[in-house]
Amino acid sequence: DQQVKQNSPSLSVQEGRISILNCDYTNSMFDYFLWYKKYPAEGPTFLISISSIKDKNEDGRFTVFLNKSAKHLSLHIVPSQPGDSAVYFCAASVGTGNQFYFGTGTSLTVIP
Amino acid sequence: EAGVAQSPRYKIIEKRQSVAFWCNPISGHATLYWYQQILGQGPKLLIQFQNNGVVDDSQLPKDRFSAERLKGVDSTLKIQPAKLEDSAVYLCASTPDLTAEAFFGQGTRLTVV
Repeated sequence: DQQVKQNSPSLSVQEGRISILNCDYTNSMFDYFLWYKKYPAEGPTFLISISSIKDKNEDGRFTVFLNKSAKHLSLHIVPSQPGDSAVYFCAASVGTGNQFYFGTGTSLTVIP
Repeated sequence: EAGVAQSPRYKIIEKRQSVAFWCNPISGHATLYWYQQILGQGPKLLIQFQNNGVVDDSQLPKDRFSAERLKGVDSTLKIQPAKLEDSAVYLCASTPDLTAEAFFGQGTRLTVV
């Protein structure tokens, strides 16, 4: 049972424009959400997180939005850069220090 | 700060053979995870350690998979015997206490033929 879903396997965006990656979850107990970025042949790298007490968290070009009622979160990258081309995984956990449930990933391509 | 170290990077074995993977987490990180990532899917937890104790191994196929973290530092994951469906990337991750963001190693890509 896939508790975290990323329904878009791929996304292409022009350099300088906004990239929006989406993630849906089914478990209402999830209260911590993370985005990871993965380059080929490397492990996932932590990008940004948000707890359920917030609806937005921003870090430079990256902003994560959380809509608890819709069980939906999104990652906005503005402006997109070619170096952002990677696979992005959404993950969720119940509390901290517990296992992460990952989505299947969205492959982002930023076109120069 | 050194990252999570894993070895080997790649391994090809025949089905029914045995294989072992090694992970050295970031120094001081009490929590260690082993994840399995099958092609086209997200990482799935196999086992979680807190120091040298198992916190969660509910998704570990215990008839063929085993893992240990004897001294609460590095860890070994073993598959015996391997099946074709075990072909995947095995990722090790660690976190310090009371934080959520896990740091991942580069992974070991296993191919079972």
